[in-house]
Amino acid sequence: GESVGLHLPTLSVQEGDNSIINCAYSNSASDYFIWYKQESGKGPQFIIDIRSNMDKRQGQRVTVLLNKTVKHLSLQIAATQPGDSAVYFCAETLPNTGNQFYFGTGTSLTVIP
Amino acid sequence: KAGVTQTPRYLIKTRGQQVTLSCSPISGHRSVSWYQQTPGQGLQFLFEYFSETQRNKGNFPGRFSGRQFSNSRSEMNVSTLELGDSALYLCASSLANGHYGYTFGSGTRLTVV
Repeated sequence: GESVGLHLPTLSVQEGDNSIINCAYSNSASDYFIWYKQESGKGPQFIIDIRSNMDKRQGQRVTVLLNKTVKHLSLQIAATQPGDSAVYFCAETLPNTGNQFYFGTGTSLTVIP
Repeated sequence: KAGVTQTPRYLIKTRGQQVTLSCSPISGHRSVSWYQQTPGQGLQFLFEYFSETQRNKGNFPGRFSGRQFSNSRSEMNVSTLELGDSALYLCASSLANGHYGYTFGSGTRLTVV
């Protein structure tokens, strides 16, 4: 039958505001997580990663928070810019599974100038 | 430093045909993973190759296969193409274990008509 498109959550923010993108992951045994940004026509681009033995990690303008109790990840982008407009994915992987990642459905971020 | 290179960028094939896609990893990277991205299913793991051996395999039919050469370049093959195989096929490479430097290419857009 005909496939139905995934319903992508959307988030619109004003330029200069902070953005928070959330992700619920599926497996409590996952030990490594990555946030990716994907622009139209391009492959996913690494933003920031975090291991399960941490609950927070900061990069340039980005912070990832990990709550293992409720299996939740969030990506915070400070001072959001128009160039941040893209689809954002979280990805998880299990121990001893090489580079087999499981991706979330993604969130579409639109930055309003 | 060159990134992950996927060729061709676009392909149009007819149902029943077979297709081969190529991925050249970042120099020094030995792990190559393949993913299928569709609006209906999102990003799904196909398989991973490390040192010419398949290390992991996702839940795809046997029509999807791959291989890796001694220079770490990888190819994936899809036989007996179906309309539902239309997708963006992405590969990602990393140094070895531990996901270090996991980087995606821009993908090959396959359209089956």
